Formats: sequence, structure tokens, C-alpha cells
Amino acid sequence: DQQVKQNSPSLSVQEGRISILNCDYTNSMFDYFLWYKKYPAEGPTFLISISSIKDKNEDGRFTVFLNKSAKHLSLHIVPSQPGDSAVYFCAASAGNQGGKLIFGQGTELSVKP
Amino acid sequence: GAGVSQSPSNKVTEKGKDVELRCDPISGHTALYWYRQSLGQGLEFLIYFQGNSAPDKSGLPSDRFSAERTGGSVSTLTIQRTQQEDSAVYLCASSITGGPRTDTQYFGPGTRLTVL
Repeated sequence: DQQVKQNSPSLSVQEGRISILNCDYTNSMFDYFLWYKKYPAEGPTFLISISSIKDKNEDGRFTVFLNKSAKHLSLHIVPSQPGDSAVYFCAASAGNQGGKLIFGQGTELSVKP
Repeated sequence: GAGVSQSPSNKVTEKGKDVELRCDPISGHTALYWYRQSLGQGLEFLIYFQGNSAPDKSGLPSDRFSAERTGGSVSTLTIQRTQQEDSAVYLCASSITGGPRTDTQYFGPGTRLTVL
């Protein structure tokens, strides 16, 4: 059972426009959500996170929105830059499971100049 | 400072052979995690260490998989009698204490395992 789902395997966006990456989850015990970015042949790097007590967290060009009732979160990148081209993974954790992260399948973002 | 390192970067083995994958976490990080990423899939949790003990081994796919950590530092993931479905990128991560709210997990570059 896939507890964290990213239904779009890929997304293409023009430079300067907004990129919106989506993620859905099924486990209501998840209370902390993260986005990781991965370049080819490298490990994922942490991008931004949000606790379930919030509905928005912003860090520069990156904003994560959480809709608990819909069990949905999204990552907005504004403005998108060619260097943002990478695979983005959504991840979730439950407070009673230590640091164990459950990842989605990833969305490959391509930002075209 | 140095990040998480993993060795080897690539490993090709024959079905039925045993393999050992190594992870060197960031110095001072007490928590260590193993994940794997199969082709076209997300990262799948395997095991979590707090110091030298493993409070969560729930992601190990079968008893052919085992892991240990010594001295609160280096960890080794061992796969016995490898099967073709074990082919994946095996990723290691470490964090300072293991609490997701305060600790970022830093990932190594991974070991790409191919079982022929």
C-alpha cells in the first residue's frame, strides 16, 4: 500500500513561472511532512518541511501548503529556475515512529529556459 | 565538513552471492537510516539505528537482509543470496538525534546494486 503518492511522474515549466508539485497521503497518523530534491547520481537533499499544526511554510522561493482534511500537500516554486530541474520527493513521518520517512515516488521537474 | 559517504558506489554481482554495503555517517550523528530506491520507485525505508541499536527494522524485505552498526558510526548492510529483485540504489542517511521535527536527514550518494 502506497501511503504517500505523487501522481505526476513529470512536470515541465517555463523559467520564471510557478512550479506546483503535488502529494497525497493516506495515513492520518502522519504529522510531519518534508520535500527532498534529488539530482542524478546524488543523494536526496532536504528542501523544506511542514508540521501538521501549520498549513503553510515558506522559505525563499519555496512554499509548502498542507491541507489536512484533504490529506494533500503541495510545493510551490516561484519563480522557477533551470537549476531547479531535479526529481522532487514528498515524504511523511508519524510522531511515534522515530525518524522513519515514507516517501512518494517522486516527480521529475524540468524547468526550460 | 564531510558528508555521508557510501561504498562501493557501484556493485555488480551474480545471483546467489552475498554483498556488503557500507555507510559512513556524518561524524557525531547518532541516528542512521537505510533506504533503497528501485527503478521508477520512491525511497523505501529499510532500517533505522539509534546508536548501535536498531529500534525499527520493519522495512527489511526478508531475512536475507541484515544490518549492523558498530561504535555508533559505520554501518554495514548485508544481503545474502542476492536475487535480481534486490537490484536498486541503496541509500544511507544520518541525522543528529533521530527526531524528525528537529533533525534533517542527510543522505549519501548511494550504492547502485545490480544483480545479474
